[in-house]
Amino acid sequence: DAKTTQPPSMDCAEGRAANLPCNHSTISGNEYVYWYRQIHSQGPQYIIHGLKNNETNEMASLIITEDRKSSTLILPHATLRDTAVYYCIVRVGGTSYGKLTFGQGTILTVHP
Amino acid sequence: NAGVTQTPKFQVLKTGQSMTLQCAQDMNHEYMSWYRQDPGMGLRLIHYSVGAGITDQGEVPNGYNVSRSTTEDFPLRLLSAAPSQTSVYFCASSYKFGASYEQYFGPGTRLTVT
Repeated sequence: DAKTTQPPSMDCAEGRAANLPCNHSTISGNEYVYWYRQIHSQGPQYIIHGLKNNETNEMASLIITEDRKSSTLILPHATLRDTAVYYCIVRVGGTSYGKLTFGQGTILTVHP
Repeated sequence: NAGVTQTPKFQVLKTGQSMTLQCAQDMNHEYMSWYRQDPGMGLRLIHYSVGAGITDQGEVPNGYNVSRSTTEDFPLRLLSAAPSQTSVYFCASSYKFGASYEQYFGPGTRLTVT
């Protein structure tokens, strides 16, 4: 699976959009980008995933660059409950099962 | 649905003791797995199962055993606890087929080995 690079921490004001970047410059054609988050002391939670098209669901939007070497997770209106560690994961196949390789992630702190 | 449940929530063991961490899911998921998370680190896969009667090793399997006799349950056994196994353990499950793309994680078991 391709390696990912994320900033260790980011801040965001409540109500503003949070844009979390992820670099995956060695991604191959059959690898998908997944995002999970882990709120303090809880199990990780799936957010969104994509291959090459931009994706949106009720939680977030995922923007993948045309060359697929980087992506951005967007939380459109961040709330205090969005404070968490966000993990960008790249893995083969668009399936749910299989190993998820969690790196260090980005600690997002949402301020009042 | 209760989702993925784990028991106990907290456990303290002495070195050399054995115990079983329980994991159950009520979503009829074929795939189940165990991860451990150490402070400041990401999750590492211990063992996984793609269905009842089928298990395989992840990246850190030493010191742990698993079995999968039913679809619902996937217990993790520590054979002889060591301080290096102090960690938070998460169980996860998902469908193996179909259009669902997420893995569901339990709340975790916090284990301390003294």
